[in-house]
Amino acid sequence: QQPVQSPQAVILREGEDAVINCSSSKALYSVHWYRQKHGEAPVFLMILLKGGEQKGHEKISASFNEKKQQSSLYLTASQLSYSGTYFCGTERGGNTPLVFGKGTRLSVIA
Amino acid sequence: DAGVIQSPRHEVTEMGQEVTLRCKPISGHDYLFWYRQTMMRGLELLIYFNNNVPIDDSGMPEDRFSAKMPNASFSTLKIQPSEPRDSAVYFCASSRDYQPQHFGDGTRLSIL
Repeated sequence: QQPVQSPQAVILREGEDAVINCSSSKALYSVHWYRQKHGEAPVFLMILLKGGEQKGHEKISASFNEKKQQSSLYLTASQLSYSGTYFCGTERGGNTPLVFGKGTRLSVIA
Repeated sequence: DAGVIQSPRHEVTEMGQEVTLRCKPISGHDYLFWYRQTMMRGLELLIYFNNNVPIDDSGMPEDRFSAKMPNASFSTLKIQPSEPRDSAVYFCASSRDYQPQHFGDGTRLSIL
């Protein structure tokens, strides 16, 4: 079942923060985050495994609440280069295919 | 290291024609995935292979779609006959031990 991402779109000014949420109605084994710039391929950002682990990637971090089947992606002090569409992909068990959300379009303006 | 290579990058053809999309995964990766991306449905998994064997093709929309992986370095996705609703961006991705996935640049397919 496809995870639900929110918000669908967000516009930020440089330096502002944003949070993107990814929710599933099913128990999850892991959550994966990707970023896709316009006309390009999705690029892997990070994997969150069950256990509530929080990971970071420069000024982008994420958390995973397995009890709520929810993950959040945190972008702090946003830069123009952060613009793109962010996808979460959820995995229900080891070695099962990812199911991607519809994405959150993030636009960072000067 | 070379990434996932897809060809062609763009394909425009008329309804009813056969379309073949090609993918070369990253060397050493044992999983290969085919996705279709549209505005309405997002990124959908069509089929995936493990060690050249198809594992799950439940995402293939119709019998008009078929995929093969004759060896570890090559896969094809074929649509025959093609229809306008098949227009989309098709991505191939590969991975080692299943995750994370590395995507190719995609094929933008337009069926007229």
